[in-house]
Amino acid sequence: TQLLEQSPQFLSIQEGENLTVYCNSSSVFSSLQWYRQEPGEGPVLLVTVVTGGEVKKLKRLTFQFGDARKDSSLHITAAQPGDTGLYLCAGVDAGGFKTIFGAGTRLFVKA
Amino acid sequence: KAGVTQTPRYLIKTRGQQVTLSCSPISGHRSVSWYQQTPGQGLQFLFEYFSETQRNKGNFPGRFSGRQFSNSRSEMNVSTLELGDSALYLCASSSGTAPSTDTQYFGPGTRLTVL
Repeated sequence: TQLLEQSPQFLSIQEGENLTVYCNSSSVFSSLQWYRQEPGEGPVLLVTVVTGGEVKKLKRLTFQFGDARKDSSLHITAAQPGDTGLYLCAGVDAGGFKTIFGAGTRLFVKA
Repeated sequence: KAGVTQTPRYLIKTRGQQVTLSCSPISGHRSVSWYQQTPGQGLQFLFEYFSETQRNKGNFPGRFSGRQFSNSRSEMNVSTLELGDSALYLCASSSGTAPSTDTQYFGPGTRLTVL
């Protein structure tokens, strides 16, 4: 059974602080995706990483895919209250037709 | 371009009943995936359909079933409802042609409460 362990599950920080969310698995995925979900809405894709070792940046967010394509991290620099939300990592299996989600990290950024 | 729509948005049922949820994907998308989201288990994959064929399914009992129509609209059905089926059911659409890198667009979900 493929599992994605995401940590931490909950994070409450002050505006301006940096943070990192981790996503780990014993399985290899063909790609790793990060989503953000707001209350009452479905998840929205932030980024997809495909190549082992790949690093992608989206403004203050930096995403990294592990060399072995089993783990990933999301780093937010100088967090803002607008970053508050549920962040989900998701691995697409090698067959490509199934997406496994981590349990999510609920981030709260205080002004 | 209209987004993914799901109907109904809210549903209350009692144990033993059955329920059908509907999902209309983004125009031109041929893949629809269904997920169950609960506070305890997070987002769990139910099944994925592409051009009316189920390509993969998750580890859910046979009470959970789905289908896709020729216009790519999809329905999922849950029979003999149990209290533990209370959840947010999300569907996501994508082109389905490059599954590893496709962007999945999620609908707002159907909130099912089983009493």
